[in-house]
Amino acid sequence: EVQLVESGGGLVKPGSSLKLSCVASGFTFSSYGMHWIRQAPKKGLEWIALIYYDSSNKYYADSVKGRFTISRDNSKNTLYLEMNSLRSEDTAMYYCAKEGYWGQGVMVTVSS
Amino acid sequence: DIQMTQSPSSLPASLGERVTISCRASQGISNNLNWYQQKPDGTIKPLIYYTSNLQSGVPSRFSGSGSGTDYSLTISSLEPEDFAMYYCQQDASFPFTFGSGTKLEIK
Repeated sequence: EVQLVESGGGLVKPGSSLKLSCVASGFTFSSYGMHWIRQAPKKGLEWIALIYYDSSNKYYADSVKGRFTISRDNSKNTLYLEMNSLRSEDTAMYYCAKEGYWGQGVMVTVSS
Repeated sequence: DIQMTQSPSSLPASLGERVTISCRASQGISNNLNWYQQKPDGTIKPLIYYTSNLQSGVPSRFSGSGSGTDYSLTISSLEPEDFAMYYCQQDASFPFTFGSGTKLEIK
């Protein structure tokens, strides 16, 4: 059974950093591109980043480019999202996803 | 960026009814259009990929169609578990973008 389990969220102050993790199981992690998508409270979905299966290519939404970094460790079946210079508008539920599956999400709140 | 315009934003419907949700892209997306269902607890389930292909385990009452800039999701006969939010998404070009969502509600 495919499982994607996010962790690392929490309450942080504006300007601070946070690193999210997504542990994958039930499929060959190293064969799939992986995404991060977020949803601000009571808002729609926003795609924010994609990393290829072998980390050879990474793509970002303009709203996070230069502040967020997507990475992966295929030996640990884990996807990461390093978030720097956090702003109040980054407050959202963050989901990791692969083709056909999404995790349950992890909440990030940026507030002073 | 490609803008995705989804309609209607709210859709009251009854059990057993056939409903259609539309999604229009601001430019052609060559069938690179996906549909997702979100339940009130936040759980997101992929339904359809590449316009008309059902994800594994998705009931056959769901179907997708379209081409060019215009796409649609149809549910042939509504079941109680179908009342949820639905989103379209294009993955033809970066950044991938979502529609604003359709809330399918019980009439």
